[in-house]
Amino acid sequence: NAGVTQTPKFRILKIGQSMTLQCTQDMNHNYMYWYRQDPGMGLKLIYYSVGAGITDKGEVPNGYNVSRSTTEDFPLRLELAAPSQTSVYFCASGEGIRATFGAGSRLTVL
Amino acid sequence: GDSVTQMEGPVTLSEEAFLTINCTYTATGYPSLFWYVQYPGEGLQLLLKATKADDKGSNKGFEATYRKETTSFHLEKGSVQVSDSAVYFCALSDINNAGNMLTFGGGTRLMVKP
Repeated sequence: NAGVTQTPKFRILKIGQSMTLQCTQDMNHNYMYWYRQDPGMGLKLIYYSVGAGITDKGEVPNGYNVSRSTTEDFPLRLELAAPSQTSVYFCASGEGIRATFGAGSRLTVL
Repeated sequence: GDSVTQMEGPVTLSEEAFLTINCTYTATGYPSLFWYVQYPGEGLQLLLKATKADDKGSNKGFEATYRKETTSFHLEKGSVQVSDSAVYFCALSDINNAGNMLTFGGGTRLMVKP
């Protein structure tokens, strides 16, 4: 099984540009999450989804959007990139209290 | 709200030394507790977990005991190896939280020297 796959692994954006971070899982999990990890900090929850068609905000949702049209995919959209969004982004999926994490996407906004 | 506090790093040890990384938490309910490990360039991997008071989670020589009276979940290993060098995250999941999301501590970087 591939588990949780994130793309791209690295990306540099200019201020004001838009992009989508892709996340796909093949474990048929209902729960999926997007976290960001800032240097020296723990992970903070951006958005989560409890199933296809259902999403909700986490701790730090401003500047991001998500959609969940299928069980497998949970893309994260940045509409107007800002330097404050420079971070490493992790997608995770899991049932109940466990979560499997992707390898991360490092985003730099200049 | 829920929170997790863990000791700041980096922690630098010699091979075969004893490791303790402290973790304390606050939660409104009865959380499950976790330790995740992040090796360089990789995502987080679940290292061990405990779901109720006095449970001991263990894996790869690491262990942690869920102490409700001290709201702690300290990570220990009797003899560390160079390959244990990584960032360790303490986390909790509270069933009262919508979506069963994880709340993470800030992470502790461990460096083991040969």
